Amino acid sequence: QSALTQPASVSGSPGQSITISCTGTSSDIGRYNYVSWYQQHPGKAPKLMIFDVSDRPSGVSDRFSGSKSGNTASLSISGLQAEDEADYYCCSYTGTPYMFGGGTKVTVL
Amino acid sequence: EVQLVESGGGLVQPGVSLRLSCAASGFTFSSSWMTWVRQAPGKGLEWVANIKPGGDGKDYVDSVKGRFTISRDNAKNLLFLQMNSLRAEDTAVYYCATDSHYSTFDYWGQGTLVSVSS
Repeated sequence: QSALTQPASVSGSPGQSITISCTGTSSDIGRYNYVSWYQQHPGKAPKLMIFDVSDRPSGVSDRFSGSKSGNTASLSISGLQAEDEADYYCCSYTGTPYMFGGGTKVTVL
Repeated sequence: EVQLVESGGGLVQPGVSLRLSCAASGFTFSSSWMTWVRQAPGKGLEWVANIKPGGDGKDYVDSVKGRFTISRDNAKNLLFLQMNSLRAEDTAVYYCATDSHYSTFDYWGQGTLVSVSS
């Protein structure tokens, strides 16, 4: 199985909105509404930002939102802030194993 | 407060074994699915294995099947990863995480580095 496909990098200016895509197949993203997103700052552990495609855990800013269309899931960040600069990974349930995307580096210009 | 603390990593030669531990606190460990995820230096995340609350169900990524064994001690709130026949490509930071359902890894430890090199 191949990793889910994410763009290597996305950038935006403070206050802008950006969207990160995560493309899978009809066997993973297209089949299940179990897509999650993780934020990882350098040298730190990943942090859950979105689960079940569009749900936010308690404590995560509502500037982060998730969606899905067909075999592609997306993470949107509105009102971009300096602290949003990090790597972001999508993950999908595929039965077993779970599949992560290759990661997207978000740069705040 | 949920806490997960991994230990047991280190520098080892190819072919040897290593056992990682993850000490859990702040939640009902015995009712929780648990997962190991690894990250090679400069690379992305890779799911490695998970285990049911009772320890009776386990799954692994193909690349570690037959070499790694996930287990748990619910009496001591400990999660383990026994890694045998280690290879250079197993070099990574290994994280333990709670696995609430279907790719939702709620809480993560700080990770422990395993380096396999001759």
